[in-house]
Amino acid sequence: GEDVEQSLFLSVREGDSSVINCTYTDSSSTYLYWYKQEPGAGLQLLTYIFSNMDMKQDQRLTVLLNKKDKHLSLRIADTQTGDSAIYFCAESPSRGGNTGKLIFGQGTTLQVKP
Amino acid sequence: ETGVTQTPRHLVMGMTNKKSLKCEQHLGHNAMYWYKQSAKKPLELMFVYNFKEQTENNSVPSRFSPECPNSSHLFLHLHTLQPEDSALYLCASSQDLLLAGSSTDTQYFGPGTRLTVL
Repeated sequence: GEDVEQSLFLSVREGDSSVINCTYTDSSSTYLYWYKQEPGAGLQLLTYIFSNMDMKQDQRLTVLLNKKDKHLSLRIADTQTGDSAIYFCAESPSRGGNTGKLIFGQGTTLQVKP
Repeated sequence: ETGVTQTPRHLVMGMTNKKSLKCEQHLGHNAMYWYKQSAKKPLELMFVYNFKEQTENNSVPSRFSPECPNSSHLFLHLHTLQPEDSALYLCASSQDLLLAGSSTDTQYFGPGTRLTVL
């Protein structure tokens, strides 16, 4: 089946690193995504990783992928108060053809304390 | 205006009302989507349209009726809703239906319509 799970809440201090974790079930997903949702706004694509990579770095963001364990993480270095938001992990299953589905986790609320 | 826009941003309606949500994308995309976001639940895909044709209806009750008159506009017509339908309804678009091998084609989201059913 298709399922993506995340922890619901993470609280860190400004300047610390944040690590948001995600597990997924569909090994057919070629790309995995991280989206950010700020209060009152829609989802914004932050970064993505191709399934044959195990790490991708993009400025303060580092994505780690353990394909064997189907575990994805997003690390935010030097977390700022502006990083407070809900972070969604998503996979794009390719089994059954291209249907346009993205499967999302429940979202992790990141709270950054000054 | 650029990106994906949704109107209204907030809507309060009674169970007997009929209302419509509107989504417009200014990105030249061919695929559009409706999602429902309820508190503490994963985003639920409701409908997918590709080149104005519905390609997916994710077992959505008939009180939700989508309409896609062209690739830039998507509507969600609402009638006789229930209080449990209260949620944030998000519209998204992508260049084409997500391809398994695509890194750059992902979904771009609008800000959502916050719906409250009394």
